[in-house]
Amino acid sequence: SQQGEEDPQALSIQEGENATMNCSYKTSINNLQWYRQNSGRGLVHLILIRSNEREKHSGRLRVTLDTSKKSSSLLITASRAADTASYFCATADMDSSYKLIFGSGTRLLVRP
Amino acid sequence: NAGVTQTPKFRVLKTGQSMTLLCAQDMNHEYMYWYRQDPGMGLRLIHYSVGEGTTAKGEVPDGYNVSRLKKQNFLLGLESAAPSQTSVYFCASSGPTGIPYEQYFGPGTRLTVT
Repeated sequence: SQQGEEDPQALSIQEGENATMNCSYKTSINNLQWYRQNSGRGLVHLILIRSNEREKHSGRLRVTLDTSKKSSSLLITASRAADTASYFCATADMDSSYKLIFGSGTRLLVRP
Repeated sequence: NAGVTQTPKFRVLKTGQSMTLLCAQDMNHEYMYWYRQDPGMGLRLIHYSVGEGTTAKGEVPDGYNVSRLKKQNFLLGLESAAPSQTSVYFCASSGPTGIPYEQYFGPGTRLTVT
């Protein structure tokens, strides 16, 4: 069964706009990670946030984590056509932080 | 560094045939993983390994076997392929013991079972 569930399932925005994706999970976690997958390719790691962190930035990416609500959000600012991809959250639980459970993903389309 | 490589990239099997997918990593990672991804879904863990000579079952292990005889290689076997095993298979690896590292993924193997 999948731990993380992303919302929305699909998102279409104009280039230059911000894109926000949400992830909810069910159990206590060690860390939460976001990955990007371009069509037909493998996943690429974007950012990792630990359970004791609330917010993290990397370039145009901003991730927040609310452990009380068991939720996370990924914000991509000033989106570009090249950001078009599927985005997955993945959680690592407390007992086996090397194993990830992936959500079903958000498909982002950035229109030029 | 090549990172994580997978062989083959594509394969078509008939029901009942067997095959082995090979994953290799050159990053000296301890952990290796096999996932499957079905249309519109996230990845589901099939088997994983926490070090050379070890393997463990993931979420969907039935119908698959694995071996990790060398640290850099992780093999996924299908003994008797079924149409339900039509999927894209991804291998991944991650770093030293005890540290929550990100996973590095291979490009995937697209398998069709007819």
